[in-house]
Amino acid sequence: DTGVSQDPRHKITKRGQNVTFRCDPISEHNRLYWYRQTLGQGPEFLTYFQNEAQLEKSRLLSDRFSAERPKGSFSTLEIQRTEQGDSAMYLCASSPQAGGNYGYTFGSGTRLTVV
Amino acid sequence: AQSVTQLDSQVPVFEEAPVELRCNYSSSVSVYLFWYVQYPNQGLQLLLKYLSGSTLVKGINGFEAEFNKSQTSFHLRKPSVHISDTAEYFCAVSTGGGNKLTFGTGTQLKVEL
Repeated sequence: DTGVSQDPRHKITKRGQNVTFRCDPISEHNRLYWYRQTLGQGPEFLTYFQNEAQLEKSRLLSDRFSAERPKGSFSTLEIQRTEQGDSAMYLCASSPQAGGNYGYTFGSGTRLTVV
Repeated sequence: AQSVTQLDSQVPVFEEAPVELRCNYSSSVSVYLFWYVQYPNQGLQLLLKYLSGSTLVKGINGFEAEFNKSQTSFHLRKPSVHISDTAEYFCAVSTGGGNKLTFGTGTQLKVEL
């Protein structure tokens, strides 16, 4: 068990470009969550998957954002036509089932800077 | 909907002194409560959690927290802090199936020599 892995750790992109982040959860965890954390704030929920099904999306997840978990293992988060307001730390977490009973295991995050 | 308030954005404390980080929550239903720690440029690490039962919860690194339903609080305490405890601490709440966490804005604990 190597924990939750996120790639890349840092991404600098120009405004208007598309970016994609990857998250590899703990292998036996069937739930996967994406959060966004801006400077000076706590993480905010974006979306979560149970296996390959995306069960909930936050209003924060605009049409430019899309998340997938095609085989119920790793997940990708894509941001199209990035804006400066997208600059944030994107955190992935996983849990074996309803996280309320277990808490979550978080990855180290992907820090996105849009210039 | 639930919410979390961490009133103290920064807490400076000297090494070996006790510390309390405050957390208040609001929810119309039963909650699960968590404290996470975040070191610079790192993800979040679970310190402790309250699900049910004893209101005093012990976690890692000598931290503990007490759930107070009447005051809707879940304050984090440590009797003697170390320089390595310098980090950001987040209180979080989830409800029902615990499908997502709602976080507070965090408290920066700075331990000084």
